[in-house]
Amino acid sequence: EVRLVESGGGLEQPGGSLRLSCEASGFTFLSYAMSWVRQAPGKGLEWVSTIRGTGDTTNYADSVKGRFTISRDNSKNTLYLQMNSLRAEDTAIYFCAKFGGYGGFDSWGQGSLVTVAS
Amino acid sequence: DIVLTQSPGTLSLSPGERATLSCRASQRVNSNYLAWYQQKVGQAPRLLIYGASSRASGIPDRFSGSGSGTDFTLTISRLEPEDFAVYYCQQYAGSPYTFGQGTKLEIK
Repeated sequence: EVRLVESGGGLEQPGGSLRLSCEASGFTFLSYAMSWVRQAPGKGLEWVSTIRGTGDTTNYADSVKGRFTISRDNSKNTLYLQMNSLRAEDTAIYFCAKFGGYGGFDSWGQGSLVTVAS
Repeated sequence: DIVLTQSPGTLSLSPGERATLSCRASQRVNSNYLAWYQQKVGQAPRLLIYGASSRASGIPDRFSGSGSGTDFTLTISRLEPEDFAVYYCQQYAGSPYTFGQGTKLEIK
């Protein structure tokens, strides 16, 4: 059974930093691209970033480019999102998601709440 | 960037009825790399359809996807009480992997 468990969320001040983690199990982690998707309170889904299985290719939404960094440690089956220069508009539930072998994001974590406020 | 526009914003139907949800892309979605997700309150999204028309594992056959190019449709043939939720389309043909704004399917 595929399992994705996020951690690292919390309350941070504007301009601060947080690092989210997503521990994966139940599949061959290095074989799959992984993504972060966020959802602001009461809003829709927003794709944030994707990293390929080998970690050599990354993509970012314009809204986070230059502030967020996605990475992975395939030896630990863990995905990360380093979030710097946080803004109020970054407040959201952050989901990690596995890119399915046939397409789409076929498995999701339960989400980690990030609140940016003073 | 590909912008996905879903319609209607809210759809009010009764159990047993047929639901038709639309997703229109601002430009062609290559290889029909279009997915549909269901999200219930307080839960993570669940993949329903990938490749525009292929059902994901464990998804009931009352859910079907169709379309190509710029126009895509999710159809739920006979609504069950558990189908009332928010539905999102997403293109994964190229970065940014954009989502539509969602269609809320509510009980009439």
